[in-house]
Amino acid sequence: AQSVTQLGSHVSVSEGALVLLRCNYSSSVPPYLFWYVQYPNQGLQLLLKYTSAATLVKGINGFEAEFKKSETSFHLTKPSAHMSDAAEYFCAVRGFSGGYNKLIFGAGTRLAVHP
Amino acid sequence: ETGVTQTPRHLVMGMTNKKSLKCEQHLGHNAMYWYKQSAKKPLELMFVYSLEERVENNSVPSRFSPECPNSSHLFLHLHTLQPEDSALYLCASSQDSSPGQLNQPQHFGDGTRLSIL
Repeated sequence: AQSVTQLGSHVSVSEGALVLLRCNYSSSVPPYLFWYVQYPNQGLQLLLKYTSAATLVKGINGFEAEFKKSETSFHLTKPSAHMSDAAEYFCAVRGFSGGYNKLIFGAGTRLAVHP
Repeated sequence: ETGVTQTPRHLVMGMTNKKSLKCEQHLGHNAMYWYKQSAKKPLELMFVYSLEERVENNSVPSRFSPECPNSSHLFLHLHTLQPEDSALYLCASSQDSSPGQLNQPQHFGDGTRLSIL
C-alpha cells in the first residue's frame, strides 16, 4: 500500500528566503509522486511530477523537487519565496488497486510568506 | 472552455433540499473523481468513475449519489444533507485506466463550496 506524510502543517518564511516543504512516501513499488498547490478558493493545480526519468524534477513557478529513494523523500523547494507563493501544498503518490488508478494525498502544508 | 469546470461555485442549501453539483471535463479523459475537502481534514476521495463505471465508493453516506452519464460529465446529487457535509467538493479527471498510465496526473476543477444551513 502507498502513503505519504507531509512534515509540518504550517511553514512560514520571509520573502526571498528558501522554501522547503517536506514529503516522505511509503510504497511497495517504484512510486509515482506529485506535488499540487491550492490557492484560496481554487482547486488543486499540478506543480510537478516524478516519473523515474530524473531524480530532480523542475516544475512551474520556480519550484523543484528531488526524489531520494534512500530517504523515501520527495521534498519541494524554491530558492526564493515570493508573496504569491502563499498557498497550501499537497504531496501525493499514485496507487493502483481494484483495476483503477488513484492518488493518495498527504494532509497538506500551508505556506505563509511574510515581507 | 478547457480543463475541468464545476458548477455552481457556491451553494447554500437547507437540510431538506435536493440539489446537484455538476462537473464537466474538456480534456478527453476516461476517469473522473469526486473529493471532499473539509477544514483541517485531509482530502477525502468519495467516488471514482473509470470508463463511466463506478469503481470505488469510499463508504460515502447514501445522501450523496453520483452519476456519470458519459466520460465528460459527472454529477453529485445531494439530498437531506447534514451540517457536517459543509465543505469544498472537488471534481478531478485523468487519463488513466490501466497500470501503464500511472504517471498521468489528475486535473482538478475549482470546486463547489457547499454550506448546509
